Amino acid sequence: EAGVTQSPTHLIKTRGQQATLRCSPISGHTSVYWYQQALGLGLQFLLWYDEGEERNRGNFPPRFSGRQFPNYSSELNVNALELEDSALYLCASSQNGVYNEQFFGPGTRLTVL
Amino acid sequence: DAKTTQPPSMDCAEGRAANLPCNHSTISGNEYVYWYRQIHSQGPQYIIHGLKNNETNEMASLIITEDRKSSTLILPHATLRDTAVYYCIVRALNTDKLIFGTGTRLQVFP
Repeated sequence: EAGVTQSPTHLIKTRGQQATLRCSPISGHTSVYWYQQALGLGLQFLLWYDEGEERNRGNFPPRFSGRQFPNYSSELNVNALELEDSALYLCASSQNGVYNEQFFGPGTRLTVL
Repeated sequence: DAKTTQPPSMDCAEGRAANLPCNHSTISGNEYVYWYRQIHSQGPQYIIHGLKNNETNEMASLIITEDRKSSTLILPHATLRDTAVYYCIVRALNTDKLIFGTGTRLQVFP
């Protein structure tokens, strides 16, 4: 069974640009979660999507947004990039919403110059 | 979610059991204990979870004290590939996000 996949592996942007990160969940999983892991700050919850709807978001500004497609894959968009957005962005998926363990992808390393 | 307290780092000899403690003294009745690990710059890997009974799977064993205020993750025969940061997370089943603390950095040495 294929795991959670994310693309791209690495992404380099300059301040003010927009970044788009993609995630494909495990087959059969309907929930997708996004986390940010910035240096020295640990893993922080960003967004949760289930059945195409945003269900919850963490304490991040509105320039962090995303969506979930009918095939349950997801995009994370970060607008007006700032230097402190440099981080490892992790996607996780689970079955049937919140009642099961989350399985993580390998992450996308975003560097903002 | 209840907070957890873990030692910042531990060492373990290869082949020996690694016992990673976690305190969660404010855990409530509907909260489970989850363990994940993160090998350098990779995505966290689910290990095991439990409510009040001890649990075992192919990766590890989870021992939860009777009062549920602490738990221990046991890797029975640690290998070099078990070197990672181990996160103990307390989570209610009706919550979505995982709240990661700082974890324990386990170093397995030859």
